[in-house]
Amino acid sequence: SQQGEEDPQALSIQEGENATMNCSYKTSINNLQWYRQNSGRGLVHLILIRSNEREKHSGRLRVTLDTSKKSSSLLITASRAADTASYFCATDGNTDKLIFGTGTRLQVFP
Amino acid sequence: NAGVTQTPKFQVLKTGQSMTLQCAQDMNHNSMYWYRQDPGMGLRLIYYSASEGTTDKGEVPNGYNVSRLNKREFSLRLESAAPSQTSVYFCASSSQGQLYGYTFGSGTRLTVV
Repeated sequence: SQQGEEDPQALSIQEGENATMNCSYKTSINNLQWYRQNSGRGLVHLILIRSNEREKHSGRLRVTLDTSKKSSSLLITASRAADTASYFCATDGNTDKLIFGTGTRLQVFP
Repeated sequence: NAGVTQTPKFQVLKTGQSMTLQCAQDMNHNSMYWYRQDPGMGLRLIYYSASEGTTDKGEVPNGYNVSRLNKREFSLRLESAAPSQTSVYFCASSSQGQLYGYTFGSGTRLTVV
């Protein structure tokens, strides 16, 4: 069973537009993480937000966390073609391991 | 380059054959993990090792065994491969479990025919 579910499953935008992906999870957490996966490659850690944080920024990335709704969002501003990838949220469910969602496939057209 | 190294990158097995997937990290991380990734299923945890000398089952452990050989190495063994084990396998490591981000290897693409 997946702890996190991303929405939408797929997203297509033009370069320069913003991309927003959402993640919902089921149980209480210590932190929530976002990862990127380029086609045929391993996952790369993007950002971690702790349960007592509401918003976090890293470059063009902005992550929000609403623990009352058990949801998070990842915003990529001014998207580039190189941002084309799948994006996964992952939560720890107050355990010592991460459970990943099914991912959002982002396509950014030049 | 520091990171997680997986071998082999590709493998084709016949049903019933056995094989071991190797994983090594050079970041002095305590925790290591094996995931499988199937289309539309995201990543599912097979086994993990929170520290040297310990291993625990994840979400989908059936048909697999693991060995935490030392702090650097964590291997995954398929004793009798089945077509349902066709997947992409990823090894990952972390310094303190879920408190920090994971570093992933580049994956092993396994096909069982």
